[in-house]
Amino acid sequence: ILNVEQSPQSLHVQEGDSTNFTCSFPSSNFYALHWYRWETAKSPEALFVMTLNGDEKKKGRISATLNTKEGYSYLYIKGSQPEDSATYLCADNTNAGKSTFGDGTTLTVKP
Amino acid sequence: GAVVSQHPSWVICKSGTSVKIECRSLDFQATTMFWYRQFPKQSLMLMATSNEGSKATYEQGVEKDKFLINHASLTLSTLTVTSAHPEDSSFYICSALLQGASGNQPQHFGDGTRLSIL
Repeated sequence: ILNVEQSPQSLHVQEGDSTNFTCSFPSSNFYALHWYRWETAKSPEALFVMTLNGDEKKKGRISATLNTKEGYSYLYIKGSQPEDSATYLCADNTNAGKSTFGDGTTLTVKP
Repeated sequence: GAVVSQHPSWVICKSGTSVKIECRSLDFQATTMFWYRQFPKQSLMLMATSNEGSKATYEQGVEKDKFLINHASLTLSTLTVTSAHPEDSSFYICSALLQGASGNQPQHFGDGTRLSIL
């Protein structure tokens, strides 16, 4: 992996479904991985900063895991709600704070 | 906390006009701010890193004479698109790092500016 890649590009789920998506990043020279949520007409909002291999972080119904050796992170949403509809971005960070973003996964939760 | 204000939200102007976009950190000081451009259905592409009191660092392929960046204070960075042409039409968004923050701290984003050049 040379760039940051996210999959799937888009996802449509029913309210109450649990879902997950993937961020792949270069495993060499890893420093930090960020997840952001970007709702329409708003600014991207930081969800998680992950730095250690094996990290697992949780915020309410949303959680994320990190595997720095193989270069991937998963974002999980349990019991999706319509308000979870947004584009979820991941970013591979250098120690100076410079970010390389993936294209994002756009989640639509249908009531 | 950590609010970033970006103005204007959208601009429509004629070809040849120069357009200035402001990015302000409202409740914190930011030594470093970033400017991104987003093409439809693509990721945020870093254009330049803006450092207070010094010259901006531009990414490869970004014309520094076309996209002028000024970071004169710890709370304000500006991006000026000089002599804009239709191909400059895009979504531009800024972000800021808390003073002293490193790569394990999140960026705080503005709402973005939609630029349309006729």
